[in-house]
Amino acid sequence: DTEVTQTPKHLVMGMTNKKSLKCEQHMGHRAMYWYKQKAKKPPELMFVYSYEKLSINESVPSRFSPECPNSSLLNLHLHALQPEDSALYLCASSQNPYTVPDTQYFGPGTRLTVL
Amino acid sequence: GENVEQHPSTLSVQEGDSAVIKCTYSDSASNYFPWYKQELGKGPQLIIDIRSNVGEKKDQRIAVTLNKTAKHFSLHITETQPEDSAVYFCAASGNYGQNFVFGPGTRLSVLP
Repeated sequence: DTEVTQTPKHLVMGMTNKKSLKCEQHMGHRAMYWYKQKAKKPPELMFVYSYEKLSINESVPSRFSPECPNSSLLNLHLHALQPEDSALYLCASSQNPYTVPDTQYFGPGTRLTVL
Repeated sequence: GENVEQHPSTLSVQEGDSAVIKCTYSDSASNYFPWYKQELGKGPQLIIDIRSNVGEKKDQRIAVTLNKTAKHFSLHITETQPEDSAVYFCAASGNYGQNFVFGPGTRLSVLP
């Protein structure tokens, strides 16, 4: 089973709201990722967690705050977002971040709209 | 850093024909090349991948070829079906396997 689940499927929020996106995998993977995907564009890497520690932050604004409570869960906390942050947010996981190659498996995404 | 180009950006084929999508990469250290299919409203799904020590890999109607010298790799889909219609992304990854660089994508339409 190579399933990554994400909730919610859709989210609409105002610029002053605080919300969270959730991602879960039960494949025993030790790396988890957040990507942002705008329409008709490829996914852009935001954050990588390796063994529950933040290993890559691609200069993402602080209004996006990732959290990895355990090896199966990944959250993305959102606060004071801008309309241009509206996008599909994808979570992915991979087995071992310190082996190459390390195949990434994606979830279905959360469609975020910021009003 | 790595840069991945992908061509064509759109491709229309008749059902039953073959489709070929080509990608080039810039970093000779890249050694893993996955292909993802993304249907409307869904996340990318891995369809095939290839490592730098292999020149070709096949899985039923799908094949990928890699030319390390020229730094390009290609996706071949034979006997296309309407359900193959989607956006296809190539990617390249180097020693830090976490850091995938995606190509811009190819929108494939298979016409019945």
